[in-house]
Amino acid sequence: QLQLQESGPGLVKPSETLSLTCTVSRGSISSSTYYWGWIRQPPGKGLEWIGSIYYTGSTYYNPSLKSRVTISVDTSKNQFSLKLSSVTAADTAVYYCARQSRIDGAPGWFDPWGQGTLVTVSS
Amino acid sequence: DIQMTQSPSSLSASVGDRVTITCRASQGISNYLAWYQQKPGKVPKLLIYAASTLKSGVPSRFSGSGSGTDFTLTISSLQPEDVATYYCQKYNSAPATFGQGTRLEIK
Repeated sequence: QLQLQESGPGLVKPSETLSLTCTVSRGSISSSTYYWGWIRQPPGKGLEWIGSIYYTGSTYYNPSLKSRVTISVDTSKNQFSLKLSSVTAADTAVYYCARQSRIDGAPGWFDPWGQGTLVTVSS
Repeated sequence: DIQMTQSPSSLSASVGDRVTITCRASQGISNYLAWYQQKPGKVPKLLIYAASTLKSGVPSRFSGSGSGTDFTLTISSLQPEDVATYYCQKYNSAPATFGQGTRLEIK
């Protein structure tokens, strides 16, 4: 059963860069069948897609975050990573990584998800 | 961008009731729609994809229907373990927008 695990600092200062890594186990990130995505959920609120990456490095980003987001992949480590720059308190959220189906060549639904990691933006 | 609107935002129903949640897209998305269940304090889980395909292992009381702009998630007989927030997600094109969620409680 494929597993995903997020890792990274739980506290980031305002204006700094949030960095998280998702490690994929019991499966290959280099599969042609899937994308790999990041989703976040502010406390008590709904889900927001951040962006997705294919093992070749091809990316899709949420237009609302695109200027601040970079997603990269390291196939040798079976990991993909998220960087979100110039963070504010509004970026405080649980950040999830997830495998995403590849439908008609583009990202589809998310399954499975990692356990999520809470990142708080505060000085 | 295409907006996804769920209704109602919350609902309360009795065990055994038939429950329907609606998701409406601001433009047509064919059947590129998924449904997720997020129990309190837990990770979202995929229930349905391609608008009506039940993920393996999901109880058959869950079903999905619709195409174009209007979609529904139906629970045929509500169980106590179905207390959760339900989200729709479109994936016809980026961004992969989620609906705002529907909180389901037991009456």
